[in-house]
Amino acid sequence: AQSVTQPDIHITVSEGASLELRCNYSYGATPYLFWYVQSPGQGLQLLLKYFSGDTLVQGIKGFEAEFKRSQSSFNLRKPSVHWSDAAEYFCAVGLNNNDMRFGAGTRLTVKP
Amino acid sequence: GAGVSQTPSNKVTEKGKYVELRCDPISGHTALYWYRQSLGQGPEFLIYFQGTGAADDSGLPNDRFFAVRPEGSVSTLKIQRTERGDSAVYLCASSLTFGGLNTGELFFGEGSRLTVL
Repeated sequence: AQSVTQPDIHITVSEGASLELRCNYSYGATPYLFWYVQSPGQGLQLLLKYFSGDTLVQGIKGFEAEFKRSQSSFNLRKPSVHWSDAAEYFCAVGLNNNDMRFGAGTRLTVKP
Repeated sequence: GAGVSQTPSNKVTEKGKYVELRCDPISGHTALYWYRQSLGQGPEFLIYFQGTGAADDSGLPNDRFFAVRPEGSVSTLKIQRTERGDSAVYLCASSLTFGGLNTGELFFGEGSRLTVL
């Protein structure tokens, strides 16, 4: 079945530590790939996207993600987390012009 | 306005009642999406519009749900005979292009939280 999986429901990291959020997808072809962030009381905001080309993509707020076709993964990374990064993070795949499917999300807590 | 606006932000209703949720997209955005987000879940696709027409309504759970966008701008999601299981946050998003995939960016509103008692 087609799916987007975010294995980690909740992650806690210390401020200044590195971060990696996992995302795996299961589709017949390589979809378009996205990461969105949802902060409390705010709408979802696009962090970055992958369509084709360079498999390492840079986004806003110092985030990056790497597409690995062999692992069907699109993990989100940040070298040094800030307290303001605490939020819910969603991986999403665009299958065609009609559909964008989201994972269940990973909640990030940042310890001082 | 500058962003996607959704009203009401909160709606509490009784089982069996009719509810309307409104979305005012970013001016000039031709594509408009509705998603539903339950607690602890990611957004679930419901329907999207290209202009005035519903280009894909395959995500609507049943015929109690209906959405319109009569002038290609504001959209209304309508839920008849509400059930407790309809309780969720209903998200609206808009984008510049058909499907939004040329830019890959959907602009989301803050959502309408629906609680059915």
